[in-house]
Amino acid sequence: GAGVSQSPSNKVTEKGKDVELRCDPISGHTALYWYRQSLGQGLEFLIYFQGNSAPDKSGLPSDRFSAERTGGSVSTLTIQRTQQEDSAVYLCASSSEIEQFFGPGTRLTVL
Amino acid sequence: SQQGEEDPQALSIQEGENATMNCSYKTSINNLQWYRQNSGRGLVHLILIRSNEREKHSGRLRVTLDTSKKSSSLLITASRAADTASYFCATAMSGNTPLVFGKGTRLSVIA
Repeated sequence: GAGVSQSPSNKVTEKGKDVELRCDPISGHTALYWYRQSLGQGLEFLIYFQGNSAPDKSGLPSDRFSAERTGGSVSTLTIQRTQQEDSAVYLCASSSEIEQFFGPGTRLTVL
Repeated sequence: SQQGEEDPQALSIQEGENATMNCSYKTSINNLQWYRQNSGRGLVHLILIRSNEREKHSGRLRVTLDTSKKSSSLLITASRAADTASYFCATAMSGNTPLVFGKGTRLSVIA
C-alpha cells in the first residue's frame, strides 16, 4: 500500500512569511508525528497526535509553530512569520502500533 | 533534546567487511529502533528491539540491547556499497510515544 506522503517536497520562502506543510499518513494509522531535522540539532520531535486525544505539543519550539490533524488523517504543520533558523527538513511519520513509518520530508529554506 | 549518542560519528569500510555502530541512551525505555537515512531525507525503519529483548536478527542485521548499560549496537554483516547511508538509533519511553533520536553514524562502504 501507499506509504506516508508529504508535500511540498521543497519549499523556499522569505523570512516573515507563513508556510504550510502537509502530511498524508498511511491509511488506518492512528498516530501521527512531526519531526524536524536541522544541522546542529539532529532529529527532534515537534508534535504528536494519537487518535482523538489532545495532541502532545511539547516539542514545538515556539508559538509560531502549530499543527492540526483533520478527520484523524491528513495533518498540516503551519509555521508563522518564518525565521532563518526554521530552515530544516520536516519529517512526518505515522504508526498503528510501535513502528513508525516516515515520509520523504519537506525541505524548508527560509531566505 | 538528544537522548544519547551514536559512535562512531563516521565509519568507512570496504565492501564485504562488517560494520558495527553503537548507541547509548539516558533514560529507561520501552523499545529501541534503528533507522537508515539516505541523502538526508526519509527514514527507513530497519529493526526494533524491545526492552525485554537482548538480541534480534533481520537478514544481515544484528541488534543487541544492554539495558543495564543503556546501550545498543547495530551490526551489518557483509556490507555492500548500497549500505552507504546515515544510521540512527531512536528510543521510545513507552509504546508508540514520540521517538528520541541519537545523532547518527555516517557509514560509507567502499566498493
